[in-house]
Amino acid sequence: KAGVTQTPRYLIKTRGQQVTLSCSPISGHRSVSWYQQTPGQGLQFLFEYFSETQRNKGNFPGRFSGRQFSNSRSEMNVSTLELGDSALYLCASSRDTQNTEAFFGQGTRLTVV
Amino acid sequence: GQQLNQSPQSMFIQEGEDVSMNCTSSSIFNTWLWYKQDPGEGPVLLIALYKAGELTSNGRLTAQFGITRKDSFLNISASIPSDVGIYFCAGRGTQGGSEKLVFGKGTKLTVNP
Repeated sequence: KAGVTQTPRYLIKTRGQQVTLSCSPISGHRSVSWYQQTPGQGLQFLFEYFSETQRNKGNFPGRFSGRQFSNSRSEMNVSTLELGDSALYLCASSRDTQNTEAFFGQGTRLTVV
Repeated sequence: GQQLNQSPQSMFIQEGEDVSMNCTSSSIFNTWLWYKQDPGEGPVLLIALYKAGELTSNGRLTAQFGITRKDSFLNISASIPSDVGIYFCAGRGTQGGSEKLVFGKGTKLTVNP
């Protein structure tokens, strides 16, 4: 069974640009969550999608958005990139939103210059 | 909101020693998860706990779900160099009517051969 796949693995963008990251969850998993990880802040929750609907949202500005498709694949978009957006972006998939384990992808390392 | 206090922040031990780390919260959780993260990679699920008082082992790793549902610990016995990494606890619980997964800030483990 394939694990969680995130693409791309690495990305370098310039301030002001926008970026789209992709996450394919484990087959059969319908819940996808996104996290931002930085050395100083640890894992910060961005949002969670289940069955194409956003179920939860963290405390990030509106520049951060996401969506989920009917096949459970998810994308997150960051517009008007800032230097502080440089981080490892992690996606986690779960079977559903109730008391189940979350499995992470390898992440996308975004560097904003 | 829900917060997890994970301690210690870092540990430096000799190969062969046992390790213990824990997470506490003022909130009640329904599930506790323990992850290990290697540099540049996504967190890997080590152990999942579902019931208060539950004690679960995975090889040299043992974790327990606290009886109050507000804490959990992870023990690693007879540490080896490949145990090096950052260990995260995560608690899944209900906040504001929705299920959320909250992470501790991690325990960085260094094992000296």
